[in-house]
Amino acid sequence: EAGVAQSPRYKIIEKRQSVAFWCNPISGHATLYWYQQILGQGPKLLIQFQNNGVVDDSQLPKDRFSAERLKGVDSTLKIQPAKLEDSAVYLCASSLSGASRDKSSYEQYFGPGTRLTVT
Amino acid sequence: AQKITQTQPGMFVQEKEAVTLDCTYDTSDPSYGLFWYKQPSSGEMIFLIYQGSYDQQNATEGRYSLNFQKARKSANLVISASQLGDSAMYFCAMREFPADNYGQNFVFGPGTRLSVLP
Repeated sequence: EAGVAQSPRYKIIEKRQSVAFWCNPISGHATLYWYQQILGQGPKLLIQFQNNGVVDDSQLPKDRFSAERLKGVDSTLKIQPAKLEDSAVYLCASSLSGASRDKSSYEQYFGPGTRLTVT
Repeated sequence: AQKITQTQPGMFVQEKEAVTLDCTYDTSDPSYGLFWYKQPSSGEMIFLIYQGSYDQQNATEGRYSLNFQKARKSANLVISASQLGDSAMYFCAMREFPADNYGQNFVFGPGTRLSVLP
């Protein structure tokens, strides 16, 4: 079974530029998550999708960050314009379903991440 | 509001010995799940073990076990027979299961860096 795919793996941009990240979850996984992990910290959930609907985006800085999952499969996360403090690893994860308490549904599988450096 | 505390920024353990990584949490929701993830230097997050708030027994997965003390709100990870490959960052995480049955705001702790010494 193929894992969660993310691209690009690395990105360097200047502040005020725009950037987009792509994620393809494991086939059949209904729930997709985007996390921001700043160096030395634990991941912070930015947004959670259930199929193509947003379940939780309470920690997404909506003035500059946007995300979509139009067909309920792959997803893009965009930052426009980028700030220095956006430098981080952006992790995508997927799970079978976010709705049930069953272990098989909430166990998240993570992609390799995209390391963003804003200069 | 959810909160995860991991008080040990770094831990050392001798190869083949057992080690306990601490995790305390704060939630007012009676239904929640606790997770441990491993993050090697490669950066990928690897799921290790899960404990549900209503589970009667402590979770075990191979060399990993979770010492769940609900009254103390602690969920410590025990790694038995440490191996050199266990050297990594370890994150404790929690999510609540609200009445609408959608997990909200999966929260990670700051992590503990474990170093296994030969």
